[in-house]
Amino acid sequence: EVQLVESGGGLVQPGESLRLSCTAPGITLSNYWMHWVRQVPGKGLVWVSRINEDGRTTNHADSVRGRFTISRDNAKNTLYLQMNSLRAEDTAVYYCTRDIGGKFGLWGQGTLVTVSS
Amino acid sequence: DIVMTQSPLSLPVTPGEPASISCRSSQRLLHSNGQTFLDWYLQKPGQSPHLLIYLGSNRASGVPDRFSGSESGTDFTLKISRVEAEDVGVYYCMQALQTPYTFGQGTKLEIK
Repeated sequence: EVQLVESGGGLVQPGESLRLSCTAPGITLSNYWMHWVRQVPGKGLVWVSRINEDGRTTNHADSVRGRFTISRDNAKNTLYLQMNSLRAEDTAVYYCTRDIGGKFGLWGQGTLVTVSS
Repeated sequence: DIVMTQSPLSLPVTPGEPASISCRSSQRLLHSNGQTFLDWYLQKPGQSPHLLIYLGSNRASGVPDRFSGSESGTDFTLKISRVEAEDVGVYYCMQALQTPYTFGQGTKLEIK
């Protein structure tokens, strides 16, 4: 079964950094725009960032711009989200998702990031 | 930013009965290519979201035909012709016309 697999979540203190990864066994990610979406447990979905196929075009939500950086290594077939200066309000499950023509047809299982002292 | 407003936020439904969820966008979602960039997702309890409807009215692969999407200007509707127990979860609309992509608040469908 085709799937996306996120990793890298965990418990960190405010101000610390974390890097999330998203891999896709059986899929060539370099063919697609990719996104990160997050969800505070029990709350709704919030778009975070996107990156184009070759990694040259990125966009971030205002709430993370300047702190988070989306990137990709197509040779490793991996998507990343570098999260710096983490805040308590960044606590959420982070999903990577594949974009085909504006639709997110494939999601990962999510990785939980907890920012707490 | 485009604001997406869903209603109702809670939807109790008797199995076999129809259900309808509304989503209104703060501006038109019509792309210059003629397509409307509005999707519907379902997040079942304990699971990741999955795609139901894309470009306003197209069912995703494997989605039962009891699900349908429609649009009228900035108003979008997801309809379930006959609700089944497996349809419980939270339904989200999302606009993909421009960044930041934005989701509705979610509509929680539960079985009466």
